[in-house]
Amino acid sequence: RKEVEQDPGPFNVPEGATVAFNCTYSNSASQSFFWYRQDCRKEPKLLMSVYSSGNEDGRFTAQLNRASQYISLLIRDSKLSDSATYLCVVTPSGGYQKVTFGTGTKLQVIP
Amino acid sequence: SQTIHQWPATLVQPVGSPLSLECTVEGTSNPNLYWYRQAAGRGLQLLFYSVGIGQISSEVPQNLSASRPQDRQFILSSKKLLLSDSGFYLCAWGSGGAGGGNEQFFGPGTRLTVL
Repeated sequence: RKEVEQDPGPFNVPEGATVAFNCTYSNSASQSFFWYRQDCRKEPKLLMSVYSSGNEDGRFTAQLNRASQYISLLIRDSKLSDSATYLCVVTPSGGYQKVTFGTGTKLQVIP
Repeated sequence: SQTIHQWPATLVQPVGSPLSLECTVEGTSNPNLYWYRQAAGRGLQLLFYSVGIGQISSEVPQNLSASRPQDRQFILSSKKLLLSDSGFYLCAWGSGGAGGGNEQFFGPGTRLTVL
């Protein structure tokens, strides 16, 4: 089983729709979790951290489910500019200098 | 604020030629530094990371090497490039720290094509 797994998509959604991505991780002792956004041929950029209590930033909501070992990202009222690949990131315990990136979920918001 | 620079942005090299990619960070001290490679349509592969000057950890055995001659400088090198070395090379920095919170911030990347 991969350390971090994501559905590669693509998720094709109309403008204004709500879309959710999940990311599963295998190491139950993982400590920190993040979502990154990567535009085509660009570097990944930190979107948001994922806290145990869940967190929200505007139209974006991230949640952590430790019991089932997954994190989620919910995007409400999708915009064309949200089209990108979304990478989930997990920091394993004992290796705080390193993180593990998922391969990403591609989102295409359609007019 | 912190910034991270990488150069060159694009590079085309023949098989068997040497490689040197440079990354520098500004606005922070003693960062953790990372080199990643992303092949076309693939995920990020961690190549090297460094927690201090002269301290390099290799994640994947291959014909690449890394060095950290200064606190905020990280260099990726190869003596002889292979076709399989083509990809998008990304340098990143993180503040590290025990207990997690290890966000990483990426440079703009170098797109390498080996012919």
